Amino acid sequence: DIQMTQSPSSLSASVGDRVTITCRASQSISTYLNWYLQKPGEAPKLLIYAASSLQSGVPSRFGGSGSGTDFTLTISSLRPGDFASYYCQQSYSMPLTFGGGTKVEI
Amino acid sequence: QVQLVESGGGVVQPGGSLRLSCAASGFTFSSNGMHWVRQAPGKGLEWVAFLRYDGNNIYYGDSVKGRFTISRDNSKNTLYLQMNSLRAEDTAVYYCVRGSGYGDTSFDYWGQGTLVTVSS
Repeated sequence: DIQMTQSPSSLSASVGDRVTITCRASQSISTYLNWYLQKPGEAPKLLIYAASSLQSGVPSRFGGSGSGTDFTLTISSLRPGDFASYYCQQSYSMPLTFGGGTKVEI
Repeated sequence: QVQLVESGGGVVQPGGSLRLSCAASGFTFSSNGMHWVRQAPGKGLEWVAFLRYDGNNIYYGDSVKGRFTISRDNSKNTLYLQMNSLRAEDTAVYYCVRGSGYGDTSFDYWGQGTLVTVSS
């Protein structure tokens, strides 16, 4: 199974900050990497697919990069609604696996 | 618009069974692979099972293999998860999720979730 490791597990930031979250795969997954945002009490929402493609309707302040084993989610300028948990997920092979999550707090 | 509505959650004793349903609308259900993903209280996301659009390819997570069965009825636009031999560690919110992208292995639409509690 492919293990996904996210860092940090939590971070504190302010509105307007630039935030970077990293995700590392235990083996190469090319660009088969997705990012999700989950607000408390809500279902997750797809932000980025195929490592760097923005899902329809997602603001351009969200960006993804990377390939192989190392990936990054960047939020260029945090908005109040961005304080949430973020998860990476590999879609390279079964079983599909998620990172442990990163909680972005005020 | 795409809608996924789960039902069937509740409280069940250890060793018991439960069947979850997911009613899909707003898209051609028979064209997409579908997943179940769960989240234990206060924990992260765990992929549970996948069923290809035509019902032919099925995959399970290791923690549920042999106990859970995913199925679908394309004539009713409904996805199911039969859960047997339930354990306390199966307690979670269960999400019905539409597959997308290559092999339908990304998750583009999620239901609101249904809570399953396994407790005596």
